[in-house]
Amino acid sequence: QVQLQESGPGLVKPSQTLSLTCTVSGGSISSGGYYWSWIRHHPGKGLEWIGYIYSTGSTYYNPSLKSRVTISIDKSKDQFSLQLSSVTAADTAVYYCARVALVVATRPFDYWGQGTLVTVSS
Amino acid sequence: DIQMTQSPSSLSASVGDRVTITCRTSQSISTYLHWYQQESGKAPKLLIYAASRLQGGVPSRFSGSGSDTEFTLTISTLQPEDFATYYCQQSYSTPYTFGQGTKLEIK
Repeated sequence: QVQLQESGPGLVKPSQTLSLTCTVSGGSISSGGYYWSWIRHHPGKGLEWIGYIYSTGSTYYNPSLKSRVTISIDKSKDQFSLQLSSVTAADTAVYYCARVALVVATRPFDYWGQGTLVTVSS
Repeated sequence: DIQMTQSPSSLSASVGDRVTITCRTSQSISTYLHWYQQESGKAPKLLIYAASRLQGGVPSRFSGSGSDTEFTLTISTLQPEDFATYYCQQSYSTPYTFGQGTKLEIK
């Protein structure tokens, strides 16, 4: 059974960089066949897809966040990471990591982490 | 971006009821539409993918239908554990987008 677990600071100061890591267990992140994604959920609002990375390191970001987002992968640790720069209060959200199985042609998010709340405040 | 419009935004129902949630998209997405259930404080869980395919382990009282721009999620006989928030999501094109959610509450 694949499991994903987010980790990182729960409080980030405005203008700083938010950094989170997702650790994957029950499967190798380097095996290919999956996109590894970040999604966030603003309090009282909807879900927003941030971007994804493939095992080769190829990335795709939501254009609304592209200038501030970097997603990277560490295959030796079965981890992938999110960095979001120049944060403001608007970036306060629960951040989820999730997997997209490419073997399914329509590419749903089939596994999710439990989520981690990140608050941007001084 | 493809806009997702879910309705209703909230719904009160009783155990044993049949409920239907609708998701409409701003352009045709074939069947690149998925449904998720989110219980309070938990991660979303995939229920239905490709508009109508039941994810493994999901009870058969959940079903999905539709294509192009209009989709529905139906719960045939509500159980106590079904009271949660439901989201639709499209994967036809990036950026992937979600509906605003439908909160299903006990009447």
